[in-house]
Amino acid sequence: NAGVTQTPKFQVLKTGQSMTLQCAQDMNHNSMYWYRQDPGMGLRLIYYSASEGTTDKGEVPNGYNVSRLNKREFSLRLESAAPSQTSVYFCASRSPPQGEQYFGPGTRLTVT
Amino acid sequence: GNSVTQMEGPVTLSEEAFLTINCTYTATGYPSLFWYVQYPGEGLQLLLKATKADDKGSNKGFEATYRKETTSFHLEKGSVQVSDSAVYFCALSGYNFGNEKLTFGTGTRLTIIP
Repeated sequence: NAGVTQTPKFQVLKTGQSMTLQCAQDMNHNSMYWYRQDPGMGLRLIYYSASEGTTDKGEVPNGYNVSRLNKREFSLRLESAAPSQTSVYFCASRSPPQGEQYFGPGTRLTVT
Repeated sequence: GNSVTQMEGPVTLSEEAFLTINCTYTATGYPSLFWYVQYPGEGLQLLLKATKADDKGSNKGFEATYRKETTSFHLEKGSVQVSDSAVYFCALSGYNFGNEKLTFGTGTRLTIIP
């Protein structure tokens, strides 16, 4: 009963490097989300995917791209990392009909 | 648009004290309401939920009642433990099928001292 899994758990990048954060869910949910969490800022939505094959921007999409590879997997890509992208990144999937979301354990990213 | 306002933290209580964390919301339609908890170094976990007016969600000794007349969903626990130290987030999800996003409050950090 894995729920939502994320890899990697930790990552350190240099400015300008790229990387992809992976997320998978085994609950057969249609909707998936990427958030970032900064100290004192709560959670901010980066991108979401309401169903396989669709993606939409959230509050803070600049500097990120996403791919909904299939129903299970939703990846987040940083093409050219910047120190402002140092954060904890959470993936989530949504359970209908009430809309509660289930979160992964997070990826702690540091950009130097 | 939808919004959630929750009690500013941090909150520090002694073990066995009574806890209230206030949460009020603004939303169109009939949202579902949630409390999430985040323990240090972990992701958010769903603590409890309520889907319609006057519903009471409960879990692990925590309770919250969906009050439509006051647009509130306050979190309460009668006797807190050190293990309840965490950050608590209030959130809402719109009832309309097309609204697929959760709106979160900014979180309240709770510390329980022995």
